[in-house]
Amino acid sequence: DTGVSQDPRHKITKRGQNVTFRCDPISEHNRLYWYRQTLGQGPEFLTYFQNEAQLEKSRLLSDRFSAERPKGSFSTLEIQRTEQGDSAMYLCASRPGTGRETQYFGPGTRLLVL
Amino acid sequence: AQSVTQLDSQVPVFEEAPVELRCNYSSSVSVYLFWYVQYPNQGLQLLLKYLSGSTLVKGINGFEAEFNKSQTSFHLRKPSVHISDTAEYFCAVSPNAGGTSYGKLTFGQGTILTVHP
Repeated sequence: DTGVSQDPRHKITKRGQNVTFRCDPISEHNRLYWYRQTLGQGPEFLTYFQNEAQLEKSRLLSDRFSAERPKGSFSTLEIQRTEQGDSAMYLCASRPGTGRETQYFGPGTRLLVL
Repeated sequence: AQSVTQLDSQVPVFEEAPVELRCNYSSSVSVYLFWYVQYPNQGLQLLLKYLSGSTLVKGINGFEAEFNKSQTSFHLRKPSVHISDTAEYFCAVSPNAGGTSYGKLTFGQGTILTVHP
């Protein structure tokens, strides 16, 4: 059984460039979450999918951020016109359909914007 | 809305000593409670969770936590720590009622546990 995977693990980009991250959840997990973790802080919720539907977006998610989950399987998180403040670890988690179940986290994608 | 406060940002302790990492939360609805551990450059791993029932919850690696509803606390304890327990620990809550926020985790700021030989 494979866990949650994320790609790439590290990304260095220049300010103003666009970046895209991918998350592959545990198969048959219909709930998928994106979190952002900055240095010295706990993860902060960004957005959440149930199957292919994006059900909630945080106010942290500016209009430069977009997330998709086509066909309810993998998900992508795109940041357009990156800024230095976007530098963070981006974590993906998945869980089955009931709230009592654990969220399983991927290893994260560490983004550095120069 | 929920918020989580971890009262200690860093906890140094000697090997084989007991440790307690403190967590308080605030919520307008009933919540589930979690402790996660994060090793350097890795994702989060669940240590234990409180969903309902007994307020004393046992988790992996010898950790346990006690839910205190009146004090809105969920402190993590281990009677004897090892060098390998050195990591960052996060307390988190999620609403346990229906709605779109069901299952969404709100984390504390984290506590760095450093175990010295």
